[in-house]
Amino acid sequence: NAGVTQTPKFRVLKTGQSMTLLCAQDMNHEYMYWYRQDPGMGLRLIHYSVGEGTTAKGEVPDGYNVSRLKKQNFLLGLESAAPSQTSVYFCASEAVGNTAKNIQYFGAGTRLSVL
Amino acid sequence: EDQVTQSPEALRLQEGESSSLNCSYTVSGLRGLFWYRQDPGKGPEFLFTLYSAGEEKEKERLKATLTKKESFLHITAPKPEDSATYLCAVPRGAGYALNFGKGTSLLVTP
Repeated sequence: NAGVTQTPKFRVLKTGQSMTLLCAQDMNHEYMYWYRQDPGMGLRLIHYSVGEGTTAKGEVPDGYNVSRLKKQNFLLGLESAAPSQTSVYFCASEAVGNTAKNIQYFGAGTRLSVL
Repeated sequence: EDQVTQSPEALRLQEGESSSLNCSYTVSGLRGLFWYRQDPGKGPEFLFTLYSAGEEKEKERLKATLTKKESFLHITAPKPEDSATYLCAVPRGAGYALNFGKGTSLLVTP
């Protein structure tokens, strides 16, 4: 049972470098989300997608871009990394339907350090 | 803006010592109150959804309850394996994604 898989698990970047975080889900879920988790701040929504080809901004979108070219994949990009983007990044997916509403399945996270 | 506040931030219990975690919320029209468990180094894992005041859900040693202003996660006779961070959340205004509280870190010692 793969569920939600995030790649990579750890990464260290230098300021100004770029990278892409990959999230893949095998549950055929429509909705996908990117959150970041920082000490004392809790989980905050970066971007989300309600279907293939569609994305929307969340609470803290600045400095990030996303793409959802395939239903099962949701990519999070950092074009020019900054130390303030040091965080743990979580991807989540969610099925459509009243019984599944807002029940999200999370990946194990990507731990990113920007020096 | 919808807000979720959890207390205490951290709680240490002896094995078998029951207690409760609190989640207070301010939302305009509750569309569900969610509890998740997060183990160190892992992503949150769904536990319960509560929709209306008076509703209760149980799972092993955990029972979640809901009033019009807050939710409680009662832990009865906890074991060390119950140690984790417990998060509560409410749906964001647009209906997509969740607003999470900062969590309660629970440590149960033998």
